[in-house]
Amino acid sequence: GAGVSQSPSNKVTEKGKDVELRCDPISGHTALYWYRQRLGQGLEFLIYFQGNSAPDKSGLPSDRFSAERTGESVSTLTIQRTQQEDSAVYLCASSLVSDFHLAKNIQYFGAGTRLSVL
Amino acid sequence: GEDVEQSLFLSVREGDSSVINCTYTDSSSTYLYWYKQEPGAGLQLLTYIFSNMDMKQDQRLTVLLNKKDKHLSLRIADTQTGDSAIYFCAARGAGGFKTIFGAGTRLFVKA
Repeated sequence: GAGVSQSPSNKVTEKGKDVELRCDPISGHTALYWYRQRLGQGLEFLIYFQGNSAPDKSGLPSDRFSAERTGESVSTLTIQRTQQEDSAVYLCASSLVSDFHLAKNIQYFGAGTRLSVL
Repeated sequence: GEDVEQSLFLSVREGDSSVINCTYTDSSSTYLYWYKQEPGAGLQLLTYIFSNMDMKQDQRLTVLLNKKDKHLSLRIADTQTGDSAIYFCAARGAGGFKTIFGAGTRLFVKA
């Protein structure tokens, strides 16, 4: 597709269950980001992938959170043993590496996955 | 670490100008961005300014940067009801990829 696609758009789960969120970046974008947006708060950086480099996981809040990316395409964010404080909108963004090196690094965002943990 | 702050709400009348303010803490921030988020959608880049600029104008949008005070503003001229959205200020340092976002300012436009 033309934009960043995320699925599911909404996810309701029970406390303690595992969830998997998916992101399809724009074709050709080698950089991919995951953010968390809690209600009324800004975007919280979670993890960054760039090509074949080791991802920057410095924003992951706990070891219950993990993410993978297949080459330069799909990424999945997994939250194990979900807690109520994990409830948020999870946003994915992608950008062109050439854009990054030109220092603009314009990020293109998906519509997000709204996660509700009951 | 870097922090970006902005007020949470702004209400204006249709046709008036809107000014959304933002402050950031990292003086080495080289790119500053304004993103717009409409309901149910992801963030969309509106405009950005490089830190060696004071002002950037793009149609109805004017960005002002006071690097000394680390203050950024977005002015929307002739605000329309379609401008109602959440506006995020963001800052990125030189050489890095991390972009720090503010909490967003919710703009209400009254007809």
